[in-house]
Amino acid sequence: QKEVEQNSGPLSVPEGAIASLNCTYSDRGSQSFFWYRQYSGKSPELIMFIYSNGDKEDGRFTAQLNKASQYVSLLIRDSQPSDSATYLCAPHSGNTPLVFGKGTRLSVIA
Amino acid sequence: GAGVSQSPSNKVTEKGKDVELRCDPISGHTALYWYRQRLGQGLEFLIYFQGNSAPDKSGLPSDRFSAERTGESVSTLTIQRTQQEDSAVYLCASSSARGAYEQYFGPGTRLTVT
Repeated sequence: QKEVEQNSGPLSVPEGAIASLNCTYSDRGSQSFFWYRQYSGKSPELIMFIYSNGDKEDGRFTAQLNKASQYVSLLIRDSQPSDSATYLCAPHSGNTPLVFGKGTRLSVIA
Repeated sequence: GAGVSQSPSNKVTEKGKDVELRCDPISGHTALYWYRQRLGQGLEFLIYFQGNSAPDKSGLPSDRFSAERTGESVSTLTIQRTQQEDSAVYLCASSSARGAYEQYFGPGTRLTVT
């Protein structure tokens, strides 16, 4: 059974702060890791993905991966109220569907 | 280009009726996925199609649920004899078999069983 654990939140951060969203996974065979954002009442949208250990930056977003610890995180710098959403972590291995965590609800307070 | 489309966007049906939900994947995407999301809950995998391979039906909750896909195009999810617990948003996603396998989601169909 592949498991993905995320703190359900809500995680509240003030506008302009760094939001840190964390995810652990059970499948050591996971090769790539996806972060999706889901606004209330909307479908998930892909933010970014990471393959390799270390950091990957895309604008205000940084994904961090540590395969030895089976841990992946998403940092959002200069958080904005428009970042308020649920963030879903999804590891992937082989030719299989993504396994989604239940998501962390982020609330950015103006 | 065009994204994943789903129809209808909303469907209200009476308990016991059958419903069909449709998904049009992104052109050229060989993989197609169906998920269910109940209110306030996470994504629940239902079924996965990859090219001409046999579909992965491991997530279908009961034999009332079935899905078909014509080649690498449209898919239909059918729920027979709907129950109130089937009320949810049904999301379809597609991905290319090359590259990162990232999935792109459609807007979903909100199903309400009364």
